[in-house]
Amino acid sequence: DADVTQTPRNRITKTGKRIMLECSQTKGHDRMYWYRQDPGLGLRLIYYSFDVKDINKGEISDGYSVSRQAQAKFSLSLESAIPNQTALYFCAVGQSSSYEQYFGPGTRLTVT
Amino acid sequence: RKEVEQDPGPFNVPEGATVAFNCTYSNSASQSFFWYRQDCRKEPKLLMSVYSSGNEDGRFTAQLNRASQYISLLIRDSKLSDSATYLCAHRGKFQFGAGTQVVVTP
Repeated sequence: DADVTQTPRNRITKTGKRIMLECSQTKGHDRMYWYRQDPGLGLRLIYYSFDVKDINKGEISDGYSVSRQAQAKFSLSLESAIPNQTALYFCAVGQSSSYEQYFGPGTRLTVT
Repeated sequence: RKEVEQDPGPFNVPEGATVAFNCTYSNSASQSFFWYRQDCRKEPKLLMSVYSSGNEDGRFTAQLNRASQYISLLIRDSKLSDSATYLCAHRGKFQFGAGTQVVVTP
């Protein structure tokens, strides 16, 4: 159990609003990831970080930004939310010694 | 083309039966993968890793067929609690298949 928490768990926001999703973990994993999941498309990687000073774009980073404030915290921001960013967002963590990933409970985001 | 692809299913299987399904991958150099299990609206959970030698954990057996570029997951003696979506993932590329839904019926 990686003890990953995500806040908020559910959020409804309006088009054009800025929103931040937060992820924190308690087991000292060095790697952290943000994914979004859409029906029929599976999980798609948005950003990932291998340590505090390392940030990398994933498959679908446009419209998103991230911040790795500490080893335990990795935030995802939508600067100006749009309806097609409505999705289930997962944070995941892992160790550099393996590629296993452990997921948080997810944030359900709706942009109206 | 996606790196890993899966038949979405659903695979309907009677309780106690065996079910198997595959995940195809496009990179012939790939050598290791993961299977994750995801219950409806919940987070994916790591089920097992898959290497060239295969892997077995209780009722679950995973194999890698490099010649045909697919990995498989076989579930024996299916339980109602095995009903879920099973995701394959490429180890190291952080790419997931869209998942195969398995429904175990009484």
